[in-house]
Amino acid sequence: EAQVTQNPRYLITVTGKKLTVTCSQNMNHEYMSWYRQDPGLGLRQIYYSMNVEVTDKGDVPEGYKVSRKEKRNFPLILESPSPNQTSLYFCASSSEVTDTQYFGPGTRLTVL
Amino acid sequence: AQKVTQAQTEISVVEKEDVTLDCVYETRDTTYYLFWYKQPPSGELVFLIRRNSFDEQNEISGRYSWNFQKSTSSFNFTITASQVVDSAVYFCALLPGYSSASKIIFGSGTRLSIRP
Repeated sequence: EAQVTQNPRYLITVTGKKLTVTCSQNMNHEYMSWYRQDPGLGLRQIYYSMNVEVTDKGDVPEGYKVSRKEKRNFPLILESPSPNQTSLYFCASSSEVTDTQYFGPGTRLTVL
Repeated sequence: AQKVTQAQTEISVVEKEDVTLDCVYETRDTTYYLFWYKQPPSGELVFLIRRNSFDEQNEISGRYSWNFQKSTSSFNFTITASQVVDSAVYFCALLPGYSSASKIIFGSGTRLSIRP
């Protein structure tokens, strides 16, 4: 089944404790992206990747890092999480930037 | 400026009523793409439709229909004979341009509640 998977689905952590949210797709998509969803703000892009080893900042990249060492994986790294990063995070992928993006199930992160 | 406006924050209708969700976009690009996504209470984002700027033909898929009007920069979504399962947050999105620097822009969403 074609899908985008994210882990973990739920995470509660404390300020400053490094964490990684994994994202994997099995559709051989070149384009992958991370978003955060906050009430009243819709989805905002954090980082995106056009292909392996090619990443770029979205609209709200501060406090996040990403890497794209393999085509299928695009982890999101929070080196020192803060409470304002409490949010619902989505990973998405598409065959190219102009194609439809398919989203993972979401990761609900709470930073205390 | 590139922007998507969904002015209706929340809509509540009784089952079987028709309902239209508005989406107005801003872009200077002549090539762009428009999308609608549905987010049911379970939280996942479900793709509904993708439309490019050169195709103004309206589309119908079952009870769903979309009206794309470049003259008013609108891409409205209508649900006919609404059902309780249609209750969700609906997002309109714009992908302006056609380059590696293109970034998708989402509206703030419209929460639709269908009452039995």
